[in-house]
Amino acid sequence: ESVLTQSPGTLSLSPGERATLSCRASQSVNINYLAWYQQKPGQAPRLLIYAASSRATGIPDRFSGSGSGTDFTLTISRLEPEDFAVYYCQQYVISPPALTFGGGTKVEIK
Amino acid sequence: QVQLVESGGDLVKPGGSLRLSCAASGFIFSDDYMSWIRQAPGKGLEWISYIDSYGNIIYYADSMKGRFTMSRDNARNSLYLQMNSLRAEDTAVYYCARLGRSGYLNQWGQGTLVTVSS
Repeated sequence: ESVLTQSPGTLSLSPGERATLSCRASQSVNINYLAWYQQKPGQAPRLLIYAASSRATGIPDRFSGSGSGTDFTLTISRLEPEDFAVYYCQQYVISPPALTFGGGTKVEIK
Repeated sequence: QVQLVESGGDLVKPGGSLRLSCAASGFIFSDDYMSWIRQAPGKGLEWISYIDSYGNIIYYADSMKGRFTMSRDNARNSLYLQMNSLRAEDTAVYYCARLGRSGYLNQWGQGTLVTVSS
């Protein structure tokens, strides 16, 4: 089973700063099958990035995804007040078919 | 617009059963794969299962096999999750979501809370 490990667990930053979130897989991931989500308190997760680097509809361009193999990164170029939230990476595994999530990174206001 | 509305969450005793529903609108439901995901209080996301557009192919997380059954009714634009032999650790918000062809969850419902407690 391929496990996703996100780091850091918590990121304390100020508005306007750059956020770099890491997602590391225990086995190589097809870049087409790596996604990122944002979740705010009391809300459902929202898709931000799919296929490792493609922004979902309506997602601002300050969000970007990169990476390949076992190491993936979500970057928020300049944090806006509404970006403070928890972020999850997720992979789709073909065999056996499954979806797995990382444990999440909380981006909090410093 | 796309809407996914879960229902059926409730307080249930350990060992009990519950059936969750997800009503879909705003898209051609019968075209899409669908998935269930849950989130225990204060915890991360946990995938439960997904189903193909016809309802013929269903996959479950290993920890859910045998107790949870996913199904769909395309005529009613509805998705279901039958949960049996519930345990305290099944307490969570349960979400339904549309599953894109590359395995990402592109639309989510607002979730329904299941509490398992005596």
